Amino acid sequence: DSGVTQTPKHLITATGQRVTLRCSPRSGDLSVYWYQQSLDQGLQFLIQYYNGEERAKGNILERFSAQQFPDLHSELNLSSLELGDSALYFCASSVETESTEAFFGQGTRLTVV
Amino acid sequence: LAKTTQPISMDSYEGQEVNITCSHNNIATNDYITWYQQFPSQGPRFIIQGYKTKVTNEVASLFIPADRKSSTLSLPRVSLSDTAVYYCLVGFSRDNYGQNFVFGPGTRLSVLP
Repeated sequence: DSGVTQTPKHLITATGQRVTLRCSPRSGDLSVYWYQQSLDQGLQFLIQYYNGEERAKGNILERFSAQQFPDLHSELNLSSLELGDSALYFCASSVETESTEAFFGQGTRLTVV
Repeated sequence: LAKTTQPISMDSYEGQEVNITCSHNNIATNDYITWYQQFPSQGPRFIIQGYKTKVTNEVASLFIPADRKSSTLSLPRVSLSDTAVYYCLVGFSRDNYGQNFVFGPGTRLSVLP
């Protein structure tokens, strides 16, 4: 158990809909990272937050957004969903501002039908 | 363009040493190199991280040559339970906006009895 909790574990929704994925980081970790994993694109960095503020952006679509709340949990919002958004979405957390040593959650598997 | 490459797959036998190499040509002076292990339906798990020369922990070693354009993960005496996908990750520095965390495509290691 990495200490990072993601909910829900599975999500099935229709095209055009909007969903919210939730992540609770390890106790004491201030940084949260979101990644998308799909068969054709592999693991792609989406966005990072540190102590409530956006720190870095990767390949995040404009239809996607995220935030980190004062209690440090984070949410990833995906809107106007398309079939191609079906993927595993991982959240990771670390103590440091920028770190490649992070702890990953079990992921949320999103299926868009 | 920040990019990491690695072999798609490797086979080994139990008890052998396995070396997996990752290329990261555009790495900057202060960028760290990290390796992760991933089992099916789980999030990536941190193995080892390094900056230069050699790093060793209880499960692996990481070798980084002087030019830092590649790195090699070494797994001593693999067992069947080491069958997994192994990813390298580099946090590429950017001038204006945090790091870009780029995973390699992953190397699927199959350990045979």
